[in-house]
Amino acid sequence: GQQLNQSPQSMFIQEGEDVSMNCTSSSIFNTWLWYKQDPGEGPVLLIALYKAGELTSNGRLTAQFGITRKDSFLNISASIPSDVGIYFCAGFTSGTYKYIFGTGTRLKVLA
Amino acid sequence: GAVVSQHPSWVICKSGTSVKIECRSLDFQATTMFWYRQFPKQSLMLMATSNEGSKATYEQGVEKDKFLINHASLTLSTLTVTSAHPEDSSFYICSALRTGSTDTQYFGPGTRLTVL
Repeated sequence: GQQLNQSPQSMFIQEGEDVSMNCTSSSIFNTWLWYKQDPGEGPVLLIALYKAGELTSNGRLTAQFGITRKDSFLNISASIPSDVGIYFCAGFTSGTYKYIFGTGTRLKVLA
Repeated sequence: GAVVSQHPSWVICKSGTSVKIECRSLDFQATTMFWYRQFPKQSLMLMATSNEGSKATYEQGVEKDKFLINHASLTLSTLTVTSAHPEDSSFYICSALRTGSTDTQYFGPGTRLTVL
């Protein structure tokens, strides 16, 4: 099935560093979402974006809905060890409710 | 917050048997639920859309007779893997769609199926 291009695929960072990841699509979406998945668990919603250009924060996390509606990025500031996990972007178009998921970014934080 | 549960969290079965997985939305009603499958180190792949009171809609390549979906109430959808084989071993995740001013899927914790 279709997937969104997410980068980087994986990254190792030092504790305290900032992290940035992005997601791009060839299609326009009305909604972008960012989820985090821990091993053996289901994805947990981090941030949802509903308008082009929207910039939303959730604690140390900040995400933006690109103005072209074809991309989004997620920033994590001052990373901590519990930020370890896989981050997925997802997009969908109103009316279908079916999410298209990104390929995932695997984050590892070195203490 | 929106809570979705899945049961069981893991199951081991013999080849040829059927396994039922339940997905419940605990604090909201969900007309629409979704079933995903996830292979190790891969993203979630949508299998089917479960609609309360009507037939599920399956994605291309997903056998509807193999993966039976029933959405009998606004808080419960079930996925039955019939005549399971080792290649059906996977991590199955459901989600429930909460609608309102915004429409968002909330995911269950997943079910690890191992077919021997």
